[in-house]
Amino acid sequence: EAQVTQNPRYLITVTGKKLTVTCSQNMNHEYMSWYRQDPGLGLRQIYYSMNVEVTDKGDVPEGYKVSRKEKRNFPLILESPSPNQTSLYFCASSLGAKNIQYFGAGTRLSVL
Amino acid sequence: GENVEQHPSTLSVQEGDSAVIKCTYSDSASNYFPWYKQELGKRPQLIIDIRSNVGEKKDQRIAVTLNKTAKHFSLHITETQPEDSAVYFCAASRGAGKSTFGDGTTLTVKP
Repeated sequence: EAQVTQNPRYLITVTGKKLTVTCSQNMNHEYMSWYRQDPGLGLRQIYYSMNVEVTDKGDVPEGYKVSRKEKRNFPLILESPSPNQTSLYFCASSLGAKNIQYFGAGTRLSVL
Repeated sequence: GENVEQHPSTLSVQEGDSAVIKCTYSDSASNYFPWYKQELGKRPQLIIDIRSNVGEKKDQRIAVTLNKTAKHFSLHITETQPEDSAVYFCAASRGAGKSTFGDGTTLTVKP
């Protein structure tokens, strides 16, 4: 089954404790992206990747890092999480930047 | 950078009526415009998209129109049904990776 898998689905952590949210897709997609969703603000792009070893900033990259060492994986790293990073995070993938994006189920993160 | 404005933020219609959601964008180089539907507690899912070389696209009860000159595009849903109730997002992209979404429209279809 074609899918985008995010882990964990829910995470509660404390300020400053490094964490990684994993994202994996099994559709051989070149394009992957991370978004955060906050009430009333829609989806805001954090980082995206056009292919392996190619990543670029979206609209809200501050406080986040990503890597794309393999085509299927695109982890989101929060080196020192802060409460303003409490949000719902979605990973997405597509064949290219102008194709249908398939979203993961989301990761709800709370930073205390 | 790109700025996408979406209106209205909430929309309530009677079952069977039509619903229209409008988005404007600022970057004239944007050339890909998808629409996503997000049901409560679920992930966004694409319902229709349009590229800049097309003025209109239709898929059953859903249609999207694009006016490149005015830099706006609209989602039209005809014969609305209660299962159409959801949050709808528009987005604009240059196709080079960066994608900007509108703030969303909460559509409620009353039976």
